[in-house]
Amino acid sequence: GQQVMQIPQYQHVQEGEDFTTYCNSSTTLSNIQWYKQRPGGHPVFLIQLVKSGEVKKQKRLTFQFGEAKKNSSLHITATQTTDVGTYFCAGRAAGNKLTFGGGTRVLVKP
Amino acid sequence: SQTIHQWPATLVQPVGSPLSLECTVEGTSNPNLYWYRQAAGRGLQLLFYSVGIGQISSEVPQNLSASRPQDRQFILSSKKLLLSDSGFYLCAWSSGALAKNIQYFGAGTRLSVL
Repeated sequence: GQQVMQIPQYQHVQEGEDFTTYCNSSTTLSNIQWYKQRPGGHPVFLIQLVKSGEVKKQKRLTFQFGEAKKNSSLHITATQTTDVGTYFCAGRAAGNKLTFGGGTRVLVKP
Repeated sequence: SQTIHQWPATLVQPVGSPLSLECTVEGTSNPNLYWYRQAAGRGLQLLFYSVGIGQISSEVPQNLSASRPQDRQFILSSKKLLLSDSGFYLCAWSSGALAKNIQYFGAGTRLSVL
C-alpha cells in the first residue's frame, strides 16, 4: 500500500536558524497536505499542494511539491519558539485516502 | 461555521473494561468521519473512516470497533481494552469526496489503559 515517509524524525533547531523537513511517498500523489500539531494539541491544517513543482509560502514557511509529485518539503526560516511542534505531511494518491507521514518533531533551542 | 467535539478529553480505564468515545460534528452535513490513534511521540494511525450513516471501513484489525448511528456522530468502542490500546485518539472530519479534501481534527481523547 501507499507509504509516506518523513525525515528527519526529530529536528533540534537553534532559534533564528533555518531548517527543512522532507516528505517522500512510495507512489505518485494527486496532492499533498501539511499539518502542524503543537505539543499537547491536535493536528491543524496548514496548506495543500496540488501541482507538480508548486511552491507556496506562509510567512516564514515555504512548502514545495516535487516535479514528480512523489515528494514535498517544508522549509522554515528564522525559526522561532512558536514553531515548536510536530509537522506532518499527508499524501493522497488518486482516489485514495489521505496517508499521513510519521511527522517531524521540531524542538527549538532559545 | 463547522465545529467538531470529542469527549472525554482524558480517560483512565482498567484492562478489560469497555470503551466508548464519542465525536460529533456541527455545521455541516454528510461529512466523512475518521478515527485516528497516535501513540506518544508517534504519527497518526488511521483506524476507521466513514462516508455515511452505517458505513464503516476498518483500516487496522484490532479489538476496536466504530459506529455511525447518525450523520454527524461517530463512536469508537471496545468491549475489552488492552494495555496496547493506550494512546491519543483523534476524530476528524472532511467534506466532499475522499479524494480531495482537508481534514479537521477534534481536540482528542488521551486514553490510558492500566
